[in-house]
Amino acid sequence: ILNVEQSPQSLHVQEGDSTNFTCSFPSSNFYALHWYRWETAKSPEALFVMTLNGDEKKKGRISATLNTKEGYSYLYIKGSQPEDSATYLCASLNQAGTALIFGKGTTLSVSS
Amino acid sequence: NAGVMQNPRHLVRRRGQEARLRCSPMKGHSHVYWYRQLPEEGLKFMVYLQKENIIDESGMPKERFSAEFPKEGPSILRIQQVVRGDSAAYFCASSPCGGPGGCEQYFGPGTRLTVT
Repeated sequence: ILNVEQSPQSLHVQEGDSTNFTCSFPSSNFYALHWYRWETAKSPEALFVMTLNGDEKKKGRISATLNTKEGYSYLYIKGSQPEDSATYLCASLNQAGTALIFGKGTTLSVSS
Repeated sequence: NAGVMQNPRHLVRRRGQEARLRCSPMKGHSHVYWYRQLPEEGLKFMVYLQKENIIDESGMPKERFSAEFPKEGPSILRIQQVVRGDSAAYFCASSPCGGPGGCEQYFGPGTRLTVT
């Protein structure tokens, strides 16, 4: 059974703070790691799809790194803004490469 | 380009009735995934379909649940003889490709099923 773990479960920061969260996943039979952002009352929105060890991806103030050998990915948010408040999900493809297995997410709250 | 559409957004069924949830993928997407979010839990994979084929249904309960994605029309998730434990939010996602390549999945707004 593939377990994807995320930490912390929730996080509260002040506007302007930089923050990061962790996603850990089994490193064997790795295919791809996805990050999603899920705002309340909206649909999950894809942030990054990462496949190669050492991958670094960036979208505005959000970036992510991937270590497939040790089975973890970090998501960084630089200079958090209130609009960054959301739940951030990571997911790894299952061994068959056919399904995304999601972690429970990290809920970020940014206060102004 | 319209996003993934799901309907209805809210569905109330009495125990024993059938629930039919519809998902229209984004234009050009032939891969559809269904996920379920039970109260206080994360998203759980249910089934992956490609036009007219079920590719992976390892997350589907063995009984009462079925899914299809016909050549024409939306994908349907069907739950027969619903029970209270089926109350959940059901999300559909579509993708232009599938398999280990890791294409982005685009999610619909979900259908919230309540069984009374």
